Amino acid sequence: AQSVSQHNHHVILSEAASLELGCNYSYGGTVNLFWYVQYPGQHLQLLLKYFSGDPLVKGIKGFEAEFIKSKFSFNLRKPSVQWSDTAEYFCAVNAPNDYKLSFGAGTTVTVRA
Amino acid sequence: KAGVTQTPRYLIKTRGQQVTLSCSPISGHRSVSWYQQTPGQGLQFLFEYFSETQRNKGNFPGRFSGRQFSNSRSEMNVSTLELGDSALYLCASSGTRSTDTQYFGPGTRLTVL
Repeated sequence: AQSVSQHNHHVILSEAASLELGCNYSYGGTVNLFWYVQYPGQHLQLLLKYFSGDPLVKGIKGFEAEFIKSKFSFNLRKPSVQWSDTAEYFCAVNAPNDYKLSFGAGTTVTVRA
Repeated sequence: KAGVTQTPRYLIKTRGQQVTLSCSPISGHRSVSWYQQTPGQGLQFLFEYFSETQRNKGNFPGRFSGRQFSNSRSEMNVSTLELGDSALYLCASSGTRSTDTQYFGPGTRLTVL
């Protein structure tokens, strides 16, 4: 079974600061990797995903993530955050041909104006 | 196109009662997954249905059950409610591949008193 760990529980940043959220997974085989975001009062939505190809993936709203297979990591980055990036961020994985998503505990990001 | 819809949005029940939650997937999506979200346990997978068949099940007691209809709409049922069942129940729909994005609904907030 897959497991996902997100290193930071709560991150507080000022606007224009850079953001990096860590995500590590444990699974012996190939995985599909996802980052979801949950803005206050809204439902989960996909930021980006990786399943093959270029390990640097670009998503919506200026986010990107890098898959490093040797480190079992899929860290999320944004060079310059805005107040509107305040949200909870979830890393998730599934195995090929398996729809079950295993989520990390989530990281709450607070951006101060 | 319309997103995933879930009804009802809020429910209050007492211990011992049973409850049925409904999910209408995005048109054309045949896979529906259910997740439980709590502050303590995070997002946990309940089960996934595809073409009226349960393909995967998480580690929840048998009190949690579900089904899917021929139009891909899905219901989940929780019998003999316990206080610990209080949670946000999320439904997600997706296409035919595990790399397809799972689109989440707004959830049903269940409170058990």
